[in-house]
Amino acid sequence: DGGITQSPKYLFRKEGQNVTLSCEQNLNHDAMYWYRQDPGQGLRLIYYSQIVNDFQKGDIAEGYSVSREKKESFPLTVTSAQKNPTAFYLCASSIPLGQSNTEAFFGQGTRLTVV
Amino acid sequence: KQEVTQIPAALSVPEGENLVLNCSFTDSAIYNLQWFRQDPGKGLTSLLLIQSSQREQTSGRLNASLDKSSGRSTLYIAASQPGDSATYLCAVKGGSYIPTFGRGTSLIVHP
Repeated sequence: DGGITQSPKYLFRKEGQNVTLSCEQNLNHDAMYWYRQDPGQGLRLIYYSQIVNDFQKGDIAEGYSVSREKKESFPLTVTSAQKNPTAFYLCASSIPLGQSNTEAFFGQGTRLTVV
Repeated sequence: KQEVTQIPAALSVPEGENLVLNCSFTDSAIYNLQWFRQDPGKGLTSLLLIQSSQREQTSGRLNASLDKSSGRSTLYIAASQPGDSATYLCAVKGGSYIPTFGRGTSLIVHP
């Protein structure tokens, strides 16, 4: 089945640790996105990538980093510089830049908790 | 910068009612608008996608309309059921090709 897989489903981070959230898609989509969701809030964009080996900061990129070495993978690292990382993280993908009339598909999310 | 607002923030109705959820956006230069459903602790499931050139889309008991010039979309749910209980989010895709989301409407349908 085609889709987006996020892992792990739950993640616990100690103070000062870096952690990496995985996002893999087999939809052959060029564009991938990371969003953060807090209770009662909409989705806020962290990073996005329209093509392999290229990515751009979103609205709340501070304390996060990404890489896009393969088309199907877009991992997100939450660094120790992110002071309030407890949230629900969602990864999405869509067909690339220039093909505007396409829908976005989402993974099932990773819930990150600082302990 | 595009801003998306969803009204109401929460809604509780008895089973069988017809519902209207509202989504408004500030920049009418959009490519499409997408409605999603989110169950607690889960990801987003796409319900309907409306292209900028379309006025509405239908899927089963769901109907979404788009008035791009006024910056509004509505999601109509007919004959609501307890299984419809979830948060409904709308997202617009504009010139940046990046979906911008509202905060959602939390819906409870009670038997």
